[in-house]
Amino acid sequence: GQQVMQIPQYQHVQEGEDFTTYCNSSTTLSNIQWYKQRPGGHPVFLIQLVKSGEVKKQKRLTFQFGEAKKNSSLHITATQTTDVGTYFCAGLPANDYKLSFGAGTTVTVRA
Amino acid sequence: DAMVIQNPRYQVTQFGKPVTLSCSQTLNHNVMYWYQQKSSQAPKLLFHYYDKDFNNEADTPDNFQSRRPNTSFCFLDIRSPGLGDAAMYLCATGGSDTTDTQYFGPGTRLTVL
Repeated sequence: GQQVMQIPQYQHVQEGEDFTTYCNSSTTLSNIQWYKQRPGGHPVFLIQLVKSGEVKKQKRLTFQFGEAKKNSSLHITATQTTDVGTYFCAGLPANDYKLSFGAGTTVTVRA
Repeated sequence: DAMVIQNPRYQVTQFGKPVTLSCSQTLNHNVMYWYQQKSSQAPKLLFHYYDKDFNNEADTPDNFQSRRPNTSFCFLDIRSPGLGDAAMYLCATGGSDTTDTQYFGPGTRLTVL
């Protein structure tokens, strides 16, 4: 079945530094969605990427969708303590509406 | 305004005692999903409803059942909870278009004693 792999599983970042989390799918995706889950909270939708090669920015967050629509990345610049949480990518296979979640990248920030 | 509401937020039950979790939505979405999320893991899809059509995941135990009496409400029934069923249960809704996003409720944290 369709799988989405996400790395790294854990990311410890010094406040002010940048980091990137990556997702790779075994099959071509219709779109990929990113969610953030704060400790004790529920996944909150961040963004959706649909087009091949698409790049979207939300303040310090930059999301990319690969040309082949099989991989994606989330890059955060100048990490802040508010960035703490687990970031999940979730891929939607073509002609389907069931998301396949990556394992998540749990981010901790050192002040 | 809350769009996906789950009740209760915390549920404690005894081993083997049936429990029902509820979810309601104000988005009028066709699709409602139930996920199980254990600590430090990704949400795991249990089943979903596309309108009234129930779709079970192949590896969802028979212990888990669901009902969707109308568009707005969906229930998760755990017939005989085991210790391994302690988890966060997330309800999500989405449209039927492949570009639709999923909106998650706040979750119900289930404890099994």
